[in-house]
Amino acid sequence: DIQMTQSPSSLSASVGDRVTITCRASQDIRNDLGWYQQKPGKAPKRLIYAASSLQSGVPSRFSGSGFGTEFTLTISSLQPEDFATYYCLQHNKYPPTFGQGTKVEIQ
Amino acid sequence: QVRLVESGGGVVQPGTSLRLSCAASGFTFRTYGMHWVRQAPGKGLEWVAHISYDGRNKYYGNSVKGRFTISRDNSKNTLYLQMNSLTTEDTAVYYCAKEVLQLIDHWGQGTLVTVSS
Repeated sequence: DIQMTQSPSSLSASVGDRVTITCRASQDIRNDLGWYQQKPGKAPKRLIYAASSLQSGVPSRFSGSGFGTEFTLTISSLQPEDFATYYCLQHNKYPPTFGQGTKVEIQ
Repeated sequence: QVRLVESGGGVVQPGTSLRLSCAASGFTFRTYGMHWVRQAPGKGLEWVAHISYDGRNKYYGNSVKGRFTISRDNSKNTLYLQMNSLTTEDTAVYYCAKEVLQLIDHWGQGTLVTVSS
């Protein structure tokens, strides 16, 4: 199985900060990766697909980059509604595998 | 708009069975692959199973292989997950999810399965 190593596991940040989350794949997954946001008690919501394509309706402060084994999710200016847990998901090979998650908390 | 509504969760004893359902609407169900994903309390997301649009191809996570069966009824726009030989490790919120180009794009609200004696 492809392992997705996500870091950090948590971070504290302030409104307006730039935040970067990283996922590293244990083998080449091309750009077969998505990023999801999950708020407490809610279902995940897709933010990014194909590593860098913004899901319709998602604010442009979210961006994704990377190819192969290294991927990043960046929030350019953190907003109060962005405090949540973020997950990456690779779908290059079965089984699909998630990163461990990154909890973004208010500093 | 896409709507996925799970049902069938509850409290069951170890070793028993449960069947989850997911009613889909707002899209042409028969043309999309579907997934089940679960999340144990306080933990991360774990992929469980996938079924192709026509039901011919199925994949399972290692932790459920041989115990869980994914199926679909395209005439009823419904996805199922038959769960047998349940253990306490299967306690989780189970999400039904739709894919597009092999990546999950929409999720249901989830149904809680608690396995406890």
